[in-house]
Order: sequence, then C-alpha cells, then structure tokens
Amino acid sequence: AQSVTQLGSHVSVSEGALVLLRCNYSSSVPPYLFWYVQYPNQGLQLLLKYTTGATLVKGINGFEAEFKKSETSFHLTKPSAHMSDAAEYFCAVSANNFNKFYFGSGTKLNVKP
Amino acid sequence: NAGVTQTPKFQVLKTGQSMTLQCAQDMNHEYMSWYRQDPGMGLRLIHYSVGAGITDQGEVPNGYNVSRSTTEDFPLRLLSAAPSQTSVYFCASSRQGAGELFFGEGSRLTVL
Repeated sequence: AQSVTQLGSHVSVSEGALVLLRCNYSSSVPPYLFWYVQYPNQGLQLLLKYTTGATLVKGINGFEAEFKKSETSFHLTKPSAHMSDAAEYFCAVSANNFNKFYFGSGTKLNVKP
Repeated sequence: NAGVTQTPKFQVLKTGQSMTLQCAQDMNHEYMSWYRQDPGMGLRLIHYSVGAGITDQGEVPNGYNVSRSTTEDFPLRLLSAAPSQTSVYFCASSRQGAGELFFGEGSRLTVL
C-alpha cells in the first residue's frame, strides 16, 4: 500500500524567502516520488520526480527536493520565493509500473509581496 | 499542441442522470487515467488504462465506467449521478513507464 501525507494545507512566505513544503510517504515497495503544481483553474504539471539515482532532484522554476529514505520524506524547497510561485502543490507516490499514483491532499502556497 | 483535451469543462446534472466526460490525447500515450479532485483530499484515481482494450480500477471506481477503444480516447461514464460525485475531474496521460502525467484542464461537475 502507498500513501502520502502533506503537512500544512496552507503555507505563506514573503517574496524572496525560503519555500519549504513537506511531504512524507508510506510505501511497501521502493517508491517513486513526484511533486506537481496546480495553478488556478488548470490541470497539474510536473515539477520534479525521483525514480532512482541521485537523491537530490532538481526541477523546473528553481525547485528541488531530496529523497530521504530513513525519514520517508520528500520535501520540496526553493531558496527564494517569487510571486509567480503562488499555487497549490501536490506530492505523489507511485510504484515502478507507474499505473497508480497516490496524491497528497495538497499545500497552497501564498507569496506575500 | 493540444495535449490532453477534456470536455465539457462545466456540467450540472440532476441526481440519477447519466453523462459521459470525454478525454482525448494527441501524444500517442499508452497510459490514460481519470482522477477526481475534492477539497482537502487531493486527487484520487478512479480508473486507468494501459492501452486500447485494457482498463483497471483505481481507488474510487464505484459509480463510474470506462472503456478504451482507441489509443486517443478514454471516456468516463456516470450511469446514475449522485451528489457525492460532485467534483472536479481530471484526465491524465503518460508514456507507459515514463512516470510523468500530462493533465487536462479539468471538468467541473455538479450533481444536484
């Protein structure tokens, strides 16, 4: 069985501040982990993914995430928030056949000027 | 450059009515899926398909039917709509084994 928990349904940061969105997963098989972003009234788009190899993964728009097996975590970070980063972010886990994805409940990021 | 196209974007139904949400992709992706998005619950998988003629259930399949007669299309059918099916529905596709889902813009369904 696989599941994802995202801590904090809303996160607010100032422009230029560090962004940290938390994701913990549960998986009975080696996990494949993803972060997706959803802008208002749009579908989701992939930010980054971890499948195998390097545990620090870089994605689009300056985001990165680190897979920590011992902590069952895959937190998303960005050193300096931009106003355009305001959106909802979803963490997801899948097994290696990528047939079923399990999404977290999402975190809405607000960026204050 | 269409990607994944969903229709309709908005629909209001009465309890007991039936309808079909359409999903088409032009990327020749083998894998297609349907999710529903509800506040505070993220996205939950309804059904998925790994190719024409092959479908399987996700987390929340009850009340929904699917079929996959072509690579391009993956319609979602509600046979007898219930208020609990009020949600935003997303279709997503992927190359098999690639791990990146491409989403449509969503279909907002309200069942009264």
